[in-house]
Amino acid sequence: EAQVTQNPRYLITVTGKKLTVTCSQNMNHEYMSWYRQDPGLGLRQIYYSMNVEVTDKGDVPEGYKVSRKEKRNFPLILESPSPNQTSLYFCASSFGRGNTEAFFGQGTRLTVV
Amino acid sequence: ELKVEQNPLFLSMQEGKNYTIYCNYSTTSDRLYWYRQDPGKSLESLFVLLSNGAVKQEGRLMASLDTKARLSTLHITAAVHDLSATYFCAVEGDNTNAGKSTFGDGTTLTVKP
Repeated sequence: EAQVTQNPRYLITVTGKKLTVTCSQNMNHEYMSWYRQDPGLGLRQIYYSMNVEVTDKGDVPEGYKVSRKEKRNFPLILESPSPNQTSLYFCASSFGRGNTEAFFGQGTRLTVV
Repeated sequence: ELKVEQNPLFLSMQEGKNYTIYCNYSTTSDRLYWYRQDPGKSLESLFVLLSNGAVKQEGRLMASLDTKARLSTLHITAAVHDLSATYFCAVEGDNTNAGKSTFGDGTTLTVKP
């Protein structure tokens, strides 16, 4: 089954404790992206990747890191999480520019206390 | 900076009625996407619009794109309860911002019997 898998689905952590949210797709998609969704602020792009070893900042990259060492995985790293990073995170992938739809993961609800 | 404005933000409709959701954006782009999100769920891709005058239809939903007016519409025909959800448009940048996506705030649609 074609899918984008995020882990974990739920995470409660403490300020400053490094964490990684994994994202993996099985569709050989070139494009992958991370978003955060917050009430009143909508969906905002954090980072995106057009292909392996190519990553770019979205609108809200501060406090986050990503890597794209292989096509299927695009982990989101929070080196020192803070409470303002409490949010619902979505990973998405698509074949890239062109007439292609995006597939979203199930979301990761992160709470930083 | 690319800005995307959706309206209305909230829409309550009677079953069987027609309505249109509008998505305006501020800079040139030739890629616009529509998504649906059910409460507590992830996003589902509805339409990808890639050129001026593009029109796509799926069931009771029809989306169109006017790149000269920087406007996309999502038209709902004869609404049914199952269409109740939040609908987002998203615009992808072009040239140096290719791959960078900006979302509208979403339109929460409630269809009442």
